[in-house]
Amino acid sequence: EPEVTQTPSHQVTQMGQEVILRCVPISNHLYFYWYRQILGQKVEFLVSFYNNEISEKSEIFDDQFSVERPDGSNFTLKIRSTKLEDSAMYFCASSDRGQPQHFGDGTRLSIL
Amino acid sequence: QKEVEQNSGPLSVPEGAIASLNCTYSDRGSQSFFWYRQYSGKSPELIMSIYSNGDKEDGRFTAQLNKASQYVSLLIRDSQPSDSATYLCAVNMEYGNKLVFGAGTILRVKS
Repeated sequence: EPEVTQTPSHQVTQMGQEVILRCVPISNHLYFYWYRQILGQKVEFLVSFYNNEISEKSEIFDDQFSVERPDGSNFTLKIRSTKLEDSAMYFCASSDRGQPQHFGDGTRLSIL
Repeated sequence: QKEVEQNSGPLSVPEGAIASLNCTYSDRGSQSFFWYRQYSGKSPELIMSIYSNGDKEDGRFTAQLNKASQYVSLLIRDSQPSDSATYLCAVNMEYGNKLVFGAGTILRVKS
């Protein structure tokens, strides 16, 4: 069964450094998303992406965050200057039009 | 603020029993409703989707939707220890395609 692939599984970064989280969505899906889950808290929406542009973003997704689809397969989330409170699990998801979203295994981001 | 509410649990049921999980949502314009299962330290795994009022069955799982009461539920029949996990209710709001998640209900199935 096709699946969403995320790399790395765990990223440790010094505060203030830039980090890029990578995702390969399911190949025929058109909608891509990033969510995060701080330990012990809800899964929170960050951003959705369709047709090579952001379709919706949350209040969390401020100027420190950006997304990109650099080629036909990858979808990336960049955090420009990480803060301690960015420590969380980051999940990429993808879907086809009107279909449920399928999640990758996540990247655990630890900011020191 | 659009909310999805779930009882955090834990809900403890014996092996073989029916587990009943409930969820309410605040936005009356919500269109799509999902149940995801999340094992500790893992990602959400889709188990059921429901879009219209009534029941939808898939194997041991039944999702129930009542839009008038803004209520979604998940029944798990013949519960197994492997069903022990956190069950997340997620709602797709009328505008945009983001999912809004509840905090999840912890289910423990005792053998």
